[in-house]
Amino acid sequence: EDQVTQSPEALRLQEGESSSLNCSYTVSGLRGLFWYRQDPGKGPEFLFTLYSAGEEKEKERLKATLTKKESFLHITAPKPEDSATYLCAVQAPSGSRLTFGEGTQLTVNP
Amino acid sequence: DVKVTQSSRYLVKRTGEKVFLECVQDMDHENMFWYRQDPGLGLRLIYFSYDVKMKEKGDIPEGYSVSREKKERFSLILESASTNQTSMYLCASSLWGGGRGNEQFFGPGTRLTVL
Repeated sequence: EDQVTQSPEALRLQEGESSSLNCSYTVSGLRGLFWYRQDPGKGPEFLFTLYSAGEEKEKERLKATLTKKESFLHITAPKPEDSATYLCAVQAPSGSRLTFGEGTQLTVNP
Repeated sequence: DVKVTQSSRYLVKRTGEKVFLECVQDMDHENMFWYRQDPGLGLRLIYFSYDVKMKEKGDIPEGYSVSREKKERFSLILESASTNQTSMYLCASSLWGGGRGNEQFFGPGTRLTVL
């Protein structure tokens, strides 16, 4: 059974204080690993897809990396508007379903 | 840009009512999904569809049914709403096929309250 574990559950940063969110996964043959951002009361917003170990993707202050067991979402010099819940999901070769983690709730204080 | 729209942002219904939640996507995606999201339980898949008139049960299909008569539209039906179906309902769509993973694009969500 595919599993995704995200840590920490919650993270509080000061503006400008860089950090990383972790997504550990177990899947038999990874088709893709996905990062989403979710604001309160809204649907998840797609950020990145990573396909293979060693791959990296960047968008503004966010950088996602992938190994064979985990993915990191690095946040460089965060701003208060980066506050959100970040979700990680994996897709196995067997179909179109995604398995989601519980998310990391990030708060960036000014 | 992919656009997934849901018929209502907020909905209040009474126990026993039949409830329809509608989802429309404009990117010609083959796959469509219905999730519910509850605090502490994360995103849970209710049903999904990979083609018109095709459907597959997800992890929590009990008490729900779905309909996909057109490629762009996927409806979630609560046959007889109950208070434990109070939740945030999220629709998503994705492309089908290929060897690489296919990201899902989500709608804004419908906050359903059953009284």
